[in-house]
Amino acid sequence: DTAVSQTPKYLVTQMGNDKSIKCEQNLGHDTMYWYKQDSKKFLKIMFSYNNKELIINETVPNRFSPKSPDKAHLNLHINSLELGDSAVYFCASSPRGRRRDHTQYFGPGTRLTVL
Amino acid sequence: GESVGLHLPTLSVQEGDNSIINCAYSNSASDYFIWYKQESGKGPQFIIDIRSNMDKRQGQRVTVLLNKTVKHLSLQIAATQPGDSAVYFCAENWNYGQNFVFGPGTRLSVLP
Repeated sequence: DTAVSQTPKYLVTQMGNDKSIKCEQNLGHDTMYWYKQDSKKFLKIMFSYNNKELIINETVPNRFSPKSPDKAHLNLHINSLELGDSAVYFCASSPRGRRRDHTQYFGPGTRLTVL
Repeated sequence: GESVGLHLPTLSVQEGDNSIINCAYSNSASDYFIWYKQESGKGPQFIIDIRSNMDKRQGQRVTVLLNKTVKHLSLQIAATQPGDSAVYFCAENWNYGQNFVFGPGTRLSVLP
């Protein structure tokens, strides 16, 4: 049973194209995230959604637009792709609230290559 | 030994030895810390966590130590095995918020 799933696993596309990455979690969590991991393995938060509401929006170009149709899904749409967008994108989810289990559960990642 | 430079810091240990991976965190207000393991081609996986009201927490073969005075976190892995080879990240969080700040990561390489 997959907890956090992402599609596609690999995405190769040309500069200037628009693409989407989908994420779904079956853990019943209220909060979902998108992270970007660069070639040096540095992992940085991009967005956080709580019950379909945007909570965190780090300094990400507005070409990146997250969409949360329901609390189990958080998709990432990227317009006008640039070479620098090449990275691995991770979706994650976590339970909300003042509980011990505040940690995040990550998906397998989507490797985006922009040519 | 450990090397730090332009590339991901790497720690090489012999199989069966103990490993210590270090992390300096940035926010003095951080009150929750997590260690993650990331194997090649996979997402980060939770290993162990610790809250700031503790200075030590033990799991199965792993121990996390927290020194709030110098804002330092360490992960100790006992009897390191080949399956422990991965990149390890520390992450900090504060006030039950939704922002987790990750450290730069350390690659652990287990030598036979």
